[in-house]
Amino acid sequence: AQSVTQLDSQVPVFEEAPVELRCNYSSSVSVYLFWYVQYPNQGLQLLLKYLSGSTLVKGINGFEAEFNKSQTSFHLRKPSVHISDTAEYFCADFGNEKLTFGTGTRLTIIP
Amino acid sequence: DGGITQSPKYLFRKEGQNVTLSCEQNLNHDAMYWYRQDPGQGLRLIYYSQIVNDFQKGDIAEGYSVSREKKESFPLTVTSAQKNPTAFYLCASSRINLGELFFGEGSRLTVL
Repeated sequence: AQSVTQLDSQVPVFEEAPVELRCNYSSSVSVYLFWYVQYPNQGLQLLLKYLSGSTLVKGINGFEAEFNKSQTSFHLRKPSVHISDTAEYFCADFGNEKLTFGTGTRLTIIP
Repeated sequence: DGGITQSPKYLFRKEGQNVTLSCEQNLNHDAMYWYRQDPGQGLRLIYYSQIVNDFQKGDIAEGYSVSREKKESFPLTVTSAQKNPTAFYLCASSRINLGELFFGEGSRLTVL
């Protein structure tokens, strides 16, 4: 069965500093990976996705992620965060007709 | 505008009552999903449907029921058999087997 692990439940970062949110997956079949963002009391919005091809994927709001098959990782990065990036971030793996989510990482930006 | 509409946004119910959450999409997507979100547990799949009149149980289907009579609609009923129904419920849709889900704004259910 596929599973997704987000190692950090909370990440505090100073404004304009870089950030990396970690994600590891365990699927042994074809890998489709996603990062979603959730602002308070709202649904989820797609940040970026990896289906195939280049291992470096760029998304919205200046975020990017790198697919690393040997380390089974799909970490999310941003070189300089803003207050508006405060949200919860979910990594997800699609397989067997469904999307499996990690437990989420709450990103808090410190002014 | 195309999208997914969930209603109601907030709902209170007494113990022992069934409640139905509405989910409608106008994206012409074949697949629809219901997830439950609890703090610190991420999103857990309740039910999903890839075609009208057919649906499959997810990881936590006990105490819930669904129907898919129309492509656009996928209502979720939280029954009195659900032991801990207070949660945030999210509906989503996608094209078949592409994994990119589009989410509604969610429905927050509180059992008093």
